[in-house]
Amino acid sequence: TQLLEQSPQFLSIQEGENLTVYCNSSSVFSSLQWYRQEPGEGPVLLVTVVTGGEVKKLKRLTFQFGDARKDSSLHITAAQPGDTGLYLCAGARRDTNAGKSTFGDGTTLTVKP
Amino acid sequence: DAGITQSPRYKITETGRQVTLMCHQTWSHSYMFWYRQDLGHGLRLIYYSAAADITDKGEVPDGYVVSRSKTENFPLTLESATRSQTSVYFCASSLAGESNEQFFGPGTRLTVL
Repeated sequence: TQLLEQSPQFLSIQEGENLTVYCNSSSVFSSLQWYRQEPGEGPVLLVTVVTGGEVKKLKRLTFQFGDARKDSSLHITAAQPGDTGLYLCAGARRDTNAGKSTFGDGTTLTVKP
Repeated sequence: DAGITQSPRYKITETGRQVTLMCHQTWSHSYMFWYRQDLGHGLRLIYYSAAADITDKGEVPDGYVVSRSKTENFPLTLESATRSQTSVYFCASSLAGESNEQFFGPGTRLTVL
């Protein structure tokens, strides 16, 4: 059973469209990260959310942490081809933390010009 | 400032051979991690280390050995490579603490023939 479920698994859209991807769990997380990974490279940290209900913005990207700290979403406004990549969420659980995070399987986003 | 580096970037080996993948970080981060990334499985934790001389198994440790004699280095050894270990391997590091923000290396693409 995957601890963190990401949806959709694949998303292909045209440049200029908006989109939302989701990261859901039945577990409570002390913090949650979003990463973007481009082909042939390692994941790169985009943001960390730690407070239930928290909203963070990074240019056209908006990240939200659920009130119960079990889920998160990433919304991209006016997507651009440069947003293409694999988006991964990762959560740290306070009860089994030990410095580890659990990763979702990711959402592969393709933005067509 | 090199950050976190991995070597080699590409490796082809044969079944039964021993292979060591190197990981070096310049941030003096306490935690270091090894993941493998395969299609359909996302990032799976192989081993992690909370500090020098402290290592622990992750989700998929069988067939792998790690050591951490120095804070900055965390080599991963495949003692007798198998075809199922063909994958892309990522090393990551993070500061101690609850945020668990991880910084990834560029990856090593390993092919076992």
